Amino acid sequence: QKEVEQDPGPLSVPEGAIVSLNCTYSNSAFQYFMWYRQYSRKGPELLMYTYSSGNKEDGRFTAQVDKSSKYISLFIRDSQPSDSATYLCAMYFDRGSTLGRLYFGRGTQLTVWP
Amino acid sequence: DVKVTQSSRYLVKRTGEKVFLECVQDMDHENMFWYRQDPGLGLRLIYFSYDVKMKEKGDIPEGYSVSREKKERFSLILESASTNQTSMYLCASSRGETYNEQFFGPGTRLTVL
Repeated sequence: QKEVEQDPGPLSVPEGAIVSLNCTYSNSAFQYFMWYRQYSRKGPELLMYTYSSGNKEDGRFTAQVDKSSKYISLFIRDSQPSDSATYLCAMYFDRGSTLGRLYFGRGTQLTVWP
Repeated sequence: DVKVTQSSRYLVKRTGEKVFLECVQDMDHENMFWYRQDPGLGLRLIYFSYDVKMKEKGDIPEGYSVSREKKERFSLILESASTNQTSMYLCASSRGETYNEQFFGPGTRLTVL
């Protein structure tokens, strides 16, 4: 079983729709939860990150973390064609004396059509 | 502006060749990473380095080695390229001893014939 599971999609929605992207994980030690966005032929860029449980909102984007269920979500309100990209969830835990590393989901490909 | 650059966007090599992929960051970051990205498999960590001359294996180090002689530069080496190493290779960097944002380069699309 992979540490982080993410449905790769693809997901196709009309402009203005609410989009829900999700990941599940198995390691309860994860502390930081991230969403990266990757446009075609580009490297991933950090979209949002959350430490521990709870919600975080940034404009049209909301990230949710439910540590009890080992489940994280990214919601996009009023989706735009410019939101068309691959969205990758990632997670991290501190190892103490040495640097930890990110664990990525496989990414979900999203297309928002006009 | 934060910047991670990779030496080539596209590279074509033959089976058995030794291949060098170079990554440079200008943010004075301590940590650097090499990933490969394949359809359906997502991002997989090959190696990372948290200090000059320090390295640690990721999930798929077989067939690869790395070199970090200077803080700003992290090289990925394919000792003897094989067709199953055809992939998109992404370099990233971050600062500090705990979680901080990883900044990615644009990637190198390597094809091994």
